[in-house]
This record gives sequence, C-alpha cells and structure tokens, in this order.
Amino acid sequence: AQSVTQLGSHVSVSEGALVLLRCNYSSSVPPYLFWYVQYPNQGLQLLLKYTTGATLVKGINGFEAEFKKSETSFHLTKPSAHMSDAAEYFCAVSESSGDKLTFGTGTRLAVRP
Amino acid sequence: GAGVSQSPSNKVTEKGKDVELRCDPISGHTALYWYRQSLGQGLEFLIYFQGNSAPDKSGLPSDRFSAERTGGSVSTLTIQRTQQEDSAVYLCASSPRQGARGRTEAFFGQGTRLTVV
Repeated sequence: AQSVTQLGSHVSVSEGALVLLRCNYSSSVPPYLFWYVQYPNQGLQLLLKYTTGATLVKGINGFEAEFKKSETSFHLTKPSAHMSDAAEYFCAVSESSGDKLTFGTGTRLAVRP
Repeated sequence: GAGVSQSPSNKVTEKGKDVELRCDPISGHTALYWYRQSLGQGLEFLIYFQGNSAPDKSGLPSDRFSAERTGGSVSTLTIQRTQQEDSAVYLCASSPRQGARGRTEAFFGQGTRLTVV
C-alpha cells in the first residue's frame, strides 16, 4: 500500500525567505508524485508532478521539488516566499498512470510580512 | 465548461436525510475520483472509476455511501441517512485515460460543502 507523510501541519516563513515543505512517501512500485495547492475556499490545483526522467521538477509559481529515491522524499521548495503563497499544500502519490491518489494530511503555509 | 464541475456547491441537510452530490468530469476523461476533506483530516479517498472497469470502492466509509457513474461521464455520490460526522467538503476529480506516464494529472472540482445539522 502507498502512503504519504507530510512533516509539519503548519509552516510559517517571512516574505522573501526560503520555503521548504517536507514530504516522504512509501510505495511498492516506482511512484508518481504530486504537489497540489489549495487556496482558501478553492479546489486543488496541481503545482508540479514527477512521473519519470529528471528528478528535479519545476512547477508553477516558482516552486520546485526533487525526487530522492534513496530518501523516499519529494520535498517542495521555493527560494523566496511571496504573500500570495499562503495556502495549504498537499503531497500525493499514485502507483500508476490515472490511478487513485493517496494524499498527505497537508501543510498550511503562512507568510509573514 | 472546461473544468470539473460539482453541484451543489453547498448543501445543508438534516440528520437522517439522504443527499446526492453531482460531478461532471472533464470531457474525455475516463478516470473519476471522489475524495472527502474533513477539518483536520486531510483528503480521504472514497471511490474511483476507471473506464468500464469495476469501481474501486475501498475508501467508502460505510454502506450508507454509494456512487455511480452513468455513461462513463457524470457521477453521483449518494449518502443515505446522513450523520453529523458526514459533514465535510466532497471533492471530485477526473484524469485522462491510463497510458503514458506523463498523462497522470488529476483535475479537481471546487467541491461540495456538506453540512449535516
């Protein structure tokens, strides 16, 4: 069975500071990995995904994530936080194309002025 | 529209009543998913439809929950004899058919906020 662990339900950073949101997964097969963002009162929007190939994946809004098989991790980073980045972020894993996603419990990011 | 559409956006119901939540997936998407998002609980998988295959119902929390997908398109999630613990946001998503590893993104609707009073 697949699972996702997101360390830190709440993360607070200053505007301009590095954003690091942690995600570790378990999967019995090479995983597909995703980060989704949910702004207040909105649905989930895909930030980025890893399926195959390059392990450093770039997404929208300046976010990127690196797939590290040896660490079973897929941490999300952004060099400089912006106030508009305040949202809830979900890491997810699936085991095949179009298969169901298993989500982590989410990390709420706050950005301080 | 171009995205996943869910209706109603908000539903308030009395305990013990049945409710139906509707999802219109993106045209041509063969996979459809229902998730439940409760406060502090993250996103809980409920059910998954893929083409003409038997649905994966492994996430349904009780036999009061059921879902169907008609004609490979619209899906309805039904909750019978609602309880207060059913209060949550119910999210629907769809994705393209299984195939190349690149075609894996699930597109989510805005959700239906269900409140059982």
